[in-house]
Amino acid sequence: AQKITQTQPGMFVQEKEAVTLDCTYDTSDQSYGLFWYKQPSSGEMIFLIYQGSYDEQNATEGRYSLNFQKARKSANLVISASQLGDSAMYFCAMPHSGYNKLIFGAGTRLAVHP
Amino acid sequence: GAVVSQHPSRVICKSGTSVKIECRSLDFQATTMFWYRQFPKQSLMLMATSNEGSKATYEQGVEKDKFLINHASLTLSTLTVTSAHPEDSSFYICSAGDRANYGYTFGSGTRLTVV
Repeated sequence: AQKITQTQPGMFVQEKEAVTLDCTYDTSDQSYGLFWYKQPSSGEMIFLIYQGSYDEQNATEGRYSLNFQKARKSANLVISASQLGDSAMYFCAMPHSGYNKLIFGAGTRLAVHP
Repeated sequence: GAVVSQHPSRVICKSGTSVKIECRSLDFQATTMFWYRQFPKQSLMLMATSNEGSKATYEQGVEKDKFLINHASLTLSTLTVTSAHPEDSSFYICSAGDRANYGYTFGSGTRLTVV
C-alpha cells in the first residue's frame, strides 16, 4: 500500500532564506505522481507543484522546486527566498494506486520569521 | 483555471440536526469528487469518493448513514452530516478531478461546529 511520510512536524526559517521540507514515499507502482499542497490558516488547499515519476527534470514552479530522488523515494519541496506569507501547513501527497484519490502525509508546519 | 466552490465556509448547528455541505465544480465537469475530513493540526483523511450517478464509495470506518453523499450532476456533490453530534465538529473539504491541476482541485472547506 502507498504511504507518504513527512517527518518534520514543524520547521522555521528566516525570511529570504531557503527551506527544504522532507517527504518520503512508498509505492510499488512504476508510474506515479507526487504533489505538494500549501494549507494556510484559512484552510484552503493550494496546489504548489507536481512531479511525475518518469519526468526527467525536477519540477519547478516559481520559488518552489522539487528535489526528486527516485532511488531514495524522496520528493522534498524546496522553497527559495521565503516570504512571511509562506507560513502555513505543507502536505505531500500521491494518488492511491489504481484510484484517483489522494493520500496525504502528516504535514509540516512552516513558520517564516522576519 | 479550474475552480471548485464549497459552501458554506462555516456552519454552527445544534446537536441532533443535519447539515448539508455543497461542493460545485464551476468550470469543468467532475465525474468524481472526494470528501475529506481534517481534525485540528492533523492531515486530511479521505472519507468517501463521490461518483456521479452512482453510490459513493466510503472509506473503512466511515459511517455511511451518518455522512450521506449525493452526486446528482456532473458539477455538484453534497455531503450531509445527519444527526450531528459534537464529535462531528471538524473541517470538511472536497476536491474534484480536473485536467488542469493534474486531476485535483480543492474547495475552500467547511468548518462545522456542533453545539
